[in-house]
Amino acid sequence: DAKTTQPPSMDCAEGRAANLPCNHSTISGNEYVYWYRQIHSQGPQYIIHGLKNNETNEMASLIITEDRKSSTLILPHATLRDTAVYYCIVESTGANNLFFGTGTRLTVIP
Amino acid sequence: NAGVTQTPKFRVLKTGQSMTLLCAQDMNHEYMYWYRQDPGMGLRLIHYSVGEGTTAKGEVPDGYNVSRLKKQNFLLGLESAAPSQTSVYFCASSYLGGFRYRELFFGEGSRLTVL
Repeated sequence: DAKTTQPPSMDCAEGRAANLPCNHSTISGNEYVYWYRQIHSQGPQYIIHGLKNNETNEMASLIITEDRKSSTLILPHATLRDTAVYYCIVESTGANNLFFGTGTRLTVIP
Repeated sequence: NAGVTQTPKFRVLKTGQSMTLLCAQDMNHEYMYWYRQDPGMGLRLIHYSVGEGTTAKGEVPDGYNVSRLKKQNFLLGLESAAPSQTSVYFCASSYLGGFRYRELFFGEGSRLTVL
């Protein structure tokens, strides 16, 4: 199973870019990288996903290294409402489980 | 469009009691999932379903049963609740599954306490 490694916590100043790293060195060639976030005790929310290429949507950008062993989620202008736990996820073998680790707790500081 | 709705939101049980958590989705999704989240931990998959009438075990299925009699509903049952099942339960659904892109839509969670 491909698993991920994320720093347990990060701080970011409001208005600055938040760069959240993730290592997934055992990822297989057909496994997507997903990012979700969980604000307080709400249900997780999808942010973005990617396979090989960098991706951007209205919420964030996803940068995946060429060897696909790591990725970075970028929130271009962090706001206080971006304070949350961010999960970097790849699919486990069997492809019916997105393995949520403990994620990175991002705190946006005023 | 309500998305994914879980009932009840909160419940307190005594050890040995039984209960059912209901998850309903109005997005016509094929796949549905039940996760649990314990303090300071990520989500762990209990059971999932790839379509009406089908269910499968996830990472932590012991002590739980599920049913998917209707496409839009996924029920999670505890036959004999134990304190170790005190947790927040999240239901999710997705249009696709397998080795393909999928986006999971989550409910707001159900907080269960077993005394």
